Amino acid sequence: ETGVTQTPRHLVMGMTNKKSLKCEQHLGHNAMYWYKQSAKKPLELMFVYNFKEQTENNSVPSRFSPECPNSSHLFLHLHTLQPEDSALYLCASSQDPWGVDTEAFFGQGTRLTVV
Amino acid sequence: GESVGLHLPTLSVQEGDNSIINCAYSNSASDYFIWYKQESGKGPQFIIDIRSNMDKRQGQRVTVLLNKTVKHLSLQIAATQPGDSAVYFCAEKNTDKLIFGTGTRLQVFP
Repeated sequence: ETGVTQTPRHLVMGMTNKKSLKCEQHLGHNAMYWYKQSAKKPLELMFVYNFKEQTENNSVPSRFSPECPNSSHLFLHLHTLQPEDSALYLCASSQDPWGVDTEAFFGQGTRLTVV
Repeated sequence: GESVGLHLPTLSVQEGDNSIINCAYSNSASDYFIWYKQESGKGPQFIIDIRSNMDKRQGQRVTVLLNKTVKHLSLQIAATQPGDSAVYFCAEKNTDKLIFGTGTRLQVFP
């Protein structure tokens, strides 16, 4: 257990569905992240939140909509996804995104399959 | 541009041998580097880190070496065990971004 919990662990959704991924961290961290992990590709940073404010949107399509109601919770709202969006979605947190020696702790991920 | 790459996608080693996983990075401004281990069905797990003002750091059975001249990072695992089988990622930090490499799969055979 890393202190970062993601739900659900697995999700299958149709292209017209709307679903949400949830992430919760119990580490008292101020920064939270969404990463996408596809087969044979590096982890891709999607969004960065620092003190609940979005500080990075790495050219992510609008069908992915993040929400950070507080420093402990992060959501990723999904709608009208494409099959190529199938991947492992990882949430991470760190004390802050600016400093050195700030490792990121990852959740176990949500395995998303779009059919 | 920013990129982190790995020399070998798969590394097979015999149990008890030492493993060396390599990583090349291209951004000379990166000041912090991390190695992560990802087991099947799990998220990446922190192994060891190193700052750019160091060239070597040791942990329990693991050592990270940083060569800034050639922008190369390596992870050495001593006495590799079956439980070390996983995908290993290096990551470099530049300002607020943590950029990951593709990963190397380490397979340990008896």
